[in-house]
Amino acid sequence: KNQVEQSPQSLIILEGKNCTLQCNYTVSPFSNLRWYKQDTGRGPVSLTIMTFSENTKSNGRYTATLDADTKQSSLHITASQLSDSASYICVVTFFYGNNRLAFGKGNQVVVIP
Amino acid sequence: GAGVSQSPSNKVTEKGKDVELRCDPISGHTALYWYRQSLGQGLEFLIYFQGNSAPDKSGLPSDRFSAERTGGSVSTLTIQRTQQEDSAVYLCASSPGSLYNSPLHFGNGTRLTVT
Repeated sequence: KNQVEQSPQSLIILEGKNCTLQCNYTVSPFSNLRWYKQDTGRGPVSLTIMTFSENTKSNGRYTATLDADTKQSSLHITASQLSDSASYICVVTFFYGNNRLAFGKGNQVVVIP
Repeated sequence: GAGVSQSPSNKVTEKGKDVELRCDPISGHTALYWYRQSLGQGLEFLIYFQGNSAPDKSGLPSDRFSAERTGGSVSTLTIQRTQQEDSAVYLCASSPGSLYNSPLHFGNGTRLTVT
């Protein structure tokens, strides 16, 4: 069973609108949770990283939240732009385990004009 | 360049041939990782190098896969006797330290197609 589940798998949104992506995980204990953006044909690029004690972290129009009690995280995109079309990947770092990471399969976002 | 560099960006090979994929990490990064990304799947861990320590090879899917890191910098992932199921994007990443508190930087990957 995948230890990081993301939803929705894919979504289409109109340019200028907001959207929220969900990440549920079972990794416990964990040291931090990261969100990455991956454009087609490119490697993932870091958006945010939150330790287990942080609740929110922003990077421009991207805001990530973390609820370690319910093991849920979200990534909110404000005022979407065409360049936001990408896959957004949730990644959880194991507290134990030699720098091992658990990756979600990604939320595929398409922004249309 | 300041980022992680991978070559080639694309590789098409015939089933049964050997391939070598190269990764140049960010200068000074002690940790280097190889991952495999198949369509519609999450990244799959392959191998992890940290400084001069013995690598963590626990993610390598078979003995056809091997990797080296020379001089604590450049790394090469070798796949022998390639199979069609090896077709995927192979991503390399590097980090200045432990992932407890360090960023992880990815290259753009090598897209491997086995025909």
